[in-house]
Amino acid sequence: GDSVTQMEGPVTLSEEAFLTINCTYTATGYPSLFWYVQYPGEGLQLLLKATKADDKGSNKGFEATYRKETTSFHLEKGSVQVSDSAVYFCALGDGATNKLIFGTGTLLAVQP
Amino acid sequence: GAVVSQHPSWVICKSGTSVKIECRSLDFQATTMFWYRQFPKQSLMLMATSNEGSKATYEQGVEKDKFLINHASLTLSTLTVTSAHPEDSSFYICSALTETDTQYFGPGTRLTVL
Repeated sequence: GDSVTQMEGPVTLSEEAFLTINCTYTATGYPSLFWYVQYPGEGLQLLLKATKADDKGSNKGFEATYRKETTSFHLEKGSVQVSDSAVYFCALGDGATNKLIFGTGTLLAVQP
Repeated sequence: GAVVSQHPSWVICKSGTSVKIECRSLDFQATTMFWYRQFPKQSLMLMATSNEGSKATYEQGVEKDKFLINHASLTLSTLTVTSAHPEDSSFYICSALTETDTQYFGPGTRLTVL
């Protein structure tokens, strides 16, 4: 079945460092791909999405490119801030049912 | 836009009682909503798909008689945990599906069963 594999955390970075959180997927068909962020004590928020191969999703300085050839959707940000500290979830959307399959989440801790 | 609310944000109940959690899409209509459980430091587990005007579809292993779902309108779905027990303590999260097939999530409800 479809699945999402996400790099394990926690990821600890200093402010202004470059961030990469790896995400790969296994899917039949052509799913949509998402990154959600969960700040401490809050619910999930959609960060960005891409609906087809080579699409780049971007928001708040974060970006991810839908790579069909490597079945990947890695999240990147050029310069992280303390306020980016959160858990980041990669997810795959089943086009037929709209169900989301989540990765295990990656905790990001940014230190000043 | 695309705001989803949940009520209550937290609830404590005694074992054996039932608890109702509401999920509302505030600025859009949603024919489909989803209910998830999230265990501490773990990912979200889909429990069921809630469809307006029809029966919910439950994922394998989820007891439909224990987790009653009602999607009575295009902006409201409710999850009732019946005869709750301590093992039902969890963080319950709903999401609502927009016309562009994107899920927006509620802030979650922390259920503690004593």
